[in-house]
Amino acid sequence: DTGVSQDPRHKITKRGQNVTFRCDPISEHNRLYWYRQTLGQGPEFLTYFQNEAQLEKSRLLSDRFSAERPKGSFSTLEIQRTEQGDSAMYLCASSRTTAEAFFGQGTRLTVV
Amino acid sequence: AQTVTQSQPEMSVQEAETVTLSCTYDTSESDYYLFWYKQPPSRQMILVIRQEAYKQQNATENRFSVNFQKAAKSFSLKISDSQLGDAAMYFCAYRSARGQGGSEKLVFGKGTKLTVNP
Repeated sequence: DTGVSQDPRHKITKRGQNVTFRCDPISEHNRLYWYRQTLGQGPEFLTYFQNEAQLEKSRLLSDRFSAERPKGSFSTLEIQRTEQGDSAMYLCASSRTTAEAFFGQGTRLTVV
Repeated sequence: AQTVTQSQPEMSVQEAETVTLSCTYDTSESDYYLFWYKQPPSRQMILVIRQEAYKQQNATENRFSVNFQKAAKSFSLKISDSQLGDAAMYFCAYRSARGQGGSEKLVFGKGTKLTVNP
């Protein structure tokens, strides 16, 4: 097990297109988090799963964003009708407890 | 809502010297966790050190130590014997402790860019 894995690492898309990102957490980690990080800023929380249940969503997560975690394993984050303001690094993290979270390398999205 | 403030956008240190990064936070909760994360350029964020608010003893991990002042809501990171590999963005983060009814999300500061000069 090599840690949290995110795919793809980079994505360039045209405005208005839909994109989907995948996150594979560390095995046996029941908690999974999505964050968004723009240049020069700290990560901002988007949403959180415990097993397959989505327990919290940020107000940052507009109706164009949806996340799933079927069967409590991997998770997907979909952005519909992308806008230039969606350009950012999307980070996934997982944890087994309420202690430290382990982050993936992120997916960098560029909307042109 | 909790907030985390890092007042130093950039810091620099000479190799082998000591540097302290500042962090303050605002919360009405009594029990929580505080973290320092390191994010090297184009690499993933990794945990440097963690502090539980109920513990009075400051956390230490090898060359990294914290000065946790709960009353002042201050949580600084000291890096001793700085190495070139310490160069990175450093983020201070806050999380509610379980049972507080608070969120499990991490709240991050804006980060401090640390440069290590040879």
